Amino acid sequence: SQQGEEDPQALSIQEGENATMNCSYKTSINNLQWYRQNSGRGLVHLILIRSNEREKHSGRLRVTLDTSKKSSSLLITASRAADTASYFCAKALSSNDYKLSFGAGTTVTVRA
Amino acid sequence: SQTIHQWPATLVQPVGSPLSLECTVEGTSNPNLYWYRQAAGRGLQLLFYSVGIGQISSEVPQNLSASRPQDRQFILSSKKLLLSDSGFYLCAWRHPGGRVNTEAFFGQGTRLTVV
Repeated sequence: SQQGEEDPQALSIQEGENATMNCSYKTSINNLQWYRQNSGRGLVHLILIRSNEREKHSGRLRVTLDTSKKSSSLLITASRAADTASYFCAKALSSNDYKLSFGAGTTVTVRA
Repeated sequence: SQTIHQWPATLVQPVGSPLSLECTVEGTSNPNLYWYRQAAGRGLQLLFYSVGIGQISSEVPQNLSASRPQDRQFILSSKKLLLSDSGFYLCAWRHPGGRVNTEAFFGQGTRLTVV
């Protein structure tokens, strides 16, 4: 089954607004990672948050993790047209798990 | 610095023809290597991963196979393509040794259309 289900599937916002997307998962994780994909390109890593962390920041990005609810959120503040992309969360299940399991992603459109 | 190369960028192949997509990594040794497929507007499906030369793990039964003939080379193949093999194929690597707290680095992808 899919691990890392993003919500919403699509999001359209005005430039300058904040964008929030969520990721839920079903089993315990070692860490959760967020990636961005521009149309027709490979994925680019944004932030990794470990299971013992609750919040991380990187520039205009803020990621939270709630292990009790098995969910994470990615917040993009003061969005720009260049933030238009698909965003994916990926889970690493355990220290012996070589795999990253990706969800279906959230497509974000930032209108100028 | 490490880089990942994936080619070709686009490919149009007839049904029943063979396939070979290649991915190479530079600047690191013994990486964990991955092949993903992404259907249009969908998430990534893990196809194969490899933790060492000749070591291939398959995630989904399918018409594809993978090989790792050299430490930093990962090849995705098919003997006879199906229409359902169309998609966007992504190669990725992660640091070796089971270091799970690491991110994945992706190639630019291959858009495969089977006609």
